[in-house]
Amino acid sequence: DGGITQSPKYLFRKEGQNVTLSCEQNLNHDAMYWYRQDPGQGLRLIYYSQIVNDFQKGDIAEGYSVSREKKESFPLTVTSAQKNPTAFYLCASSMSRADETQYFGPGTRLLVL
Amino acid sequence: QQQVKQSPQSLIVQKGGISIINCAYENTAFDYFPWYQQFPGKGPALLIAIRPDVSEKKEGRFTISFNKSAKQFSLHIMDSQPGDSATYFCAASAQGAQKLVFGQGTRLTINP
Repeated sequence: DGGITQSPKYLFRKEGQNVTLSCEQNLNHDAMYWYRQDPGQGLRLIYYSQIVNDFQKGDIAEGYSVSREKKESFPLTVTSAQKNPTAFYLCASSMSRADETQYFGPGTRLLVL
Repeated sequence: QQQVKQSPQSLIVQKGGISIINCAYENTAFDYFPWYQQFPGKGPALLIAIRPDVSEKKEGRFTISFNKSAKQFSLHIMDSQPGDSATYFCAASAQGAQKLVFGQGTRLTINP
């Protein structure tokens, strides 16, 4: 059953804590993306990766970090430097850097305690 | 110039009516225009997409109309059903840009 999985579905962060959101895909896609969704603001790109061991900052990368050690995995860490982390986080993938069609995971909702 | 402006922010349509959502862009390098549908608590799913070489694309009850000279494109949902109630996002990308630019989203409600 191919697709993109994100875990956990809900995540709670305490002040000053780093948290990591998981994104895994078994679609054999080269490119992966992280978006942040806030009400009324659409989807904003945090980071993206076109190949393993390479990634680029998106429009709102400050306070976030990523790694791409495996093709199927693209975890996102929300660091303590991100002062307003409460949002719905979406991971997506596409077949290659030349393929604009992106497929999304179910999302992780991050809440601050 | 990288923005995609979407309107309206919310829309209420009666069952059986036509839902119309509009998007406008400035970057003439954009050459791929998808629409995504998102249900509450779920990730967006690709609904339909168009390229500038055609002015209209239809898939079932969903149609994209594209006006290259006006730099606008719109989604039309014919015979709207309560199951169409969702948030819709338009997006755009330019060849080689490797990323999509999304509109702000439209919350569509279809009243039974």
